[in-house]
Amino acid sequence: GENVEQHPSTLSVQEGDSAVIKCTYSDSASNYFPWYKQELGKGPQLIIDIRSNVGEKKDQRIAVTLNKTAKHFSLHITETQPEDSAVYFCAARANAGGTSYGKLTFGQGTILTVHP
Amino acid sequence: DAGITQSPRYKITETGRQVTLMCHQTWSHSYMFWYRQDLGHGLRLIYYSAAADITDKGEVPDGYVVSRSKTENFPLTLESATRSQTSVYFCASSDGPLRPYEQYFGPGTRLTVT
Repeated sequence: GENVEQHPSTLSVQEGDSAVIKCTYSDSASNYFPWYKQELGKGPQLIIDIRSNVGEKKDQRIAVTLNKTAKHFSLHITETQPEDSAVYFCAARANAGGTSYGKLTFGQGTILTVHP
Repeated sequence: DAGITQSPRYKITETGRQVTLMCHQTWSHSYMFWYRQDLGHGLRLIYYSAAADITDKGEVPDGYVVSRSKTENFPLTLESATRSQTSVYFCASSDGPLRPYEQYFGPGTRLTVT
C-alpha cells in the first residue's frame, strides 16, 4: 500500500520567515495530495491540495509543489504569522483500482511553531 | 450550519467494556470515515463508508465495528475496549462524486481505556 513520509517532525521559525514541509510517497499511481492544518484540540482542516496533473498551486501565503518523478511534494508558507502555529499533515490518495474511492494515507505530521 | 459533529468529546472507559462513538454530519455527504490519531502514527483509517449500508475496512479495523443505517450518521463501536485503543478518534466526511477527495473532519473524541 501507499506509504507517506513527512519531514521535519518539528519546525521552529521566526515570524515573517518562510516554512517548508516536505513529504514523499511510495505509490506512483497516487493522484491527489492534500495538506491539513490541525490546531490544538481541533480536527484537521484542509488548507490546500494539488492533483497529479499540476506542478504547483498557490493560495495567498501558502503554496504546494509536486514532483511526480521524484514522488515528493512540499508545503510552503511565506511570511509566517504566530497563528500559523499548528500541526501540519500531508496525505496522498492512492489509486482506487477496482473501487470507486481511493483512501488517503497521512504523513506523521509536522509541529510548526512561529515565534513572534 | 453544524457541519460534522462528534460525541462524546471525551470518554473514559474500562477494559472490556463496549463503547460507541457517534458521528453526525449535516451536509448529506455520501462518504464518511473514521480515523484514529496516535503520536508518531499520524492519522490511520479504521473504516469508511461510501453510502448508507455500504462500509469497508481501512488500515486498522480490528476491534472496531461500524454501521451506517442513515446517510448522516456513522457510529463507531469498540466491542470490547482494550488499552491499545486509547486514542483520539476523528470522523470525516466527503462529498463523493462532486468533490470526491476533500475530507472534512469533526472535532474528535478523546478516548481513554483504563
